[in-house]
Amino acid sequence: DTEVTQTPKHLVMGMTNKKSLKCEQHMGHRAMYWYKQKAKKPPELMFVYSYEKLSINESVPSRFSPECPNSSLLNLHLHALQPEDSALYLCASSHSQGAGETQYFGPGTRLLVL
Amino acid sequence: GQNIDQPTEMTATEGAIVQINCTYQTSGFNGLFWYQQHAGEAPTFLSYNVLDGLEEKGRFSSFLSRSKGYSYLLLKELQMKDSASYLCAVASGANNLFFGTGTRLTVIP
Repeated sequence: DTEVTQTPKHLVMGMTNKKSLKCEQHMGHRAMYWYKQKAKKPPELMFVYSYEKLSINESVPSRFSPECPNSSLLNLHLHALQPEDSALYLCASSHSQGAGETQYFGPGTRLLVL
Repeated sequence: GQNIDQPTEMTATEGAIVQINCTYQTSGFNGLFWYQQHAGEAPTFLSYNVLDGLEEKGRFSSFLSRSKGYSYLLLKELQMKDSASYLCAVASGANNLFFGTGTRLTVIP
């Protein structure tokens, strides 16, 4: 089973709202990732968690706040977003953060900020 | 920094063979991945190369030349369902993936 699940599939929010994106995997993977993908562009890395600790933050604005409550779950808390934050948000996981470990992607949450 | 180049679009005929090229310049190279992404869906893993040479997996093969900073994905016996974007991604550092812009492949009858 190489399934990564994400909820919700679609989300529309205003600029003053607070919402959360959720990601879950039960493959025993210890590295989890958040990517942002704009239309017709490649995914761009936002955050990496390794063994439930934040390993990488690619200079992401503080209106995006990641959280890893346990080894199976990864959240992305959203607050005071801007319209340009509208994108597909992809979660991925890999066995570890070791070099060459395959990352498996979830189906993504399509976010629209009004 | 990372610089990864792929053709933006390609068109090929059902049943034919198509080669999608990827060139890269990167520091801390830890391998190269190819992913397939259908419109509105998640990228799905196709292949991983870390050593020079050809890796074959059914209708899909991937080649790497580290000295030339070059890889290609070869798709044989094209099917309509192969119409998708193909993303070349370089692994650098602690498994950070840097994606190319992707190649949108259209398979025509």
